[in-house]
Amino acid sequence: DAGITQSPRHKVTETGTPVTLRCHQTENHRYMYWYRQDPGHGLRLIHYSYGVKDTDKGEVSDGYSVSRSKTEDFLLTLESATSSQTSVYFCAISEVTNEKLFFGSGTQLSVL
Amino acid sequence: GDSVTQMEGPVTLSEEAFLTINCTYTATGYPSLFWYVQYPGEGLQLLLKATKADDKGSNKGFEATYRKETTSFHLEKGSVQVSDSAVYFCALSKGSARQLTFGSGTQLTVLP
Repeated sequence: DAGITQSPRHKVTETGTPVTLRCHQTENHRYMYWYRQDPGHGLRLIHYSYGVKDTDKGEVSDGYSVSRSKTEDFLLTLESATSSQTSVYFCAISEVTNEKLFFGSGTQLSVL
Repeated sequence: GDSVTQMEGPVTLSEEAFLTINCTYTATGYPSLFWYVQYPGEGLQLLLKATKADDKGSNKGFEATYRKETTSFHLEKGSVQVSDSAVYFCALSKGSARQLTFGSGTQLTVLP
């Protein structure tokens, strides 16, 4: 199994609070991604990174920011959480963009 | 824009039945096509892929053929097992991180 760890696995928070999700990899892969999974929508890309300090927006980036200060860590921040951000968040990594993504186990986030 | 349409689930089959999950896509150019599988409580795993027309991807008894004339990539398995119960996602990629598009997923339940 690819070495991807997401933390926390579950989080409940209140509207308006900041939230940071962490993705840690031990594979030294260049590309890292954050997706959200919602019923009826499949997976949608929030942000991705193609190297340390190199990030770009995905399809649903509004309300989210990311940072990658080390190859192994990719952080997703919700600056002020809203109920529409209740979702399951998956981190993924790949050596080559879009080729054989490896996914973490996900973070279930509930914003009340 | 690019899109992937999967047959709606849930799909319920008896063990040893034949499985087909339909997937069609809309895209310009020549995308690569993928099937990912998500077992309960886990992240997605790549099941198989095809990178050009008429290619057949196969893995663990599952097969899918890239049909450009019908813009389809249907997933098939001749004899399903209880352990195949999962959510299956069809996806297409055109190379860049922002160009990986997932379908909404099909839930498969196999009964003993």
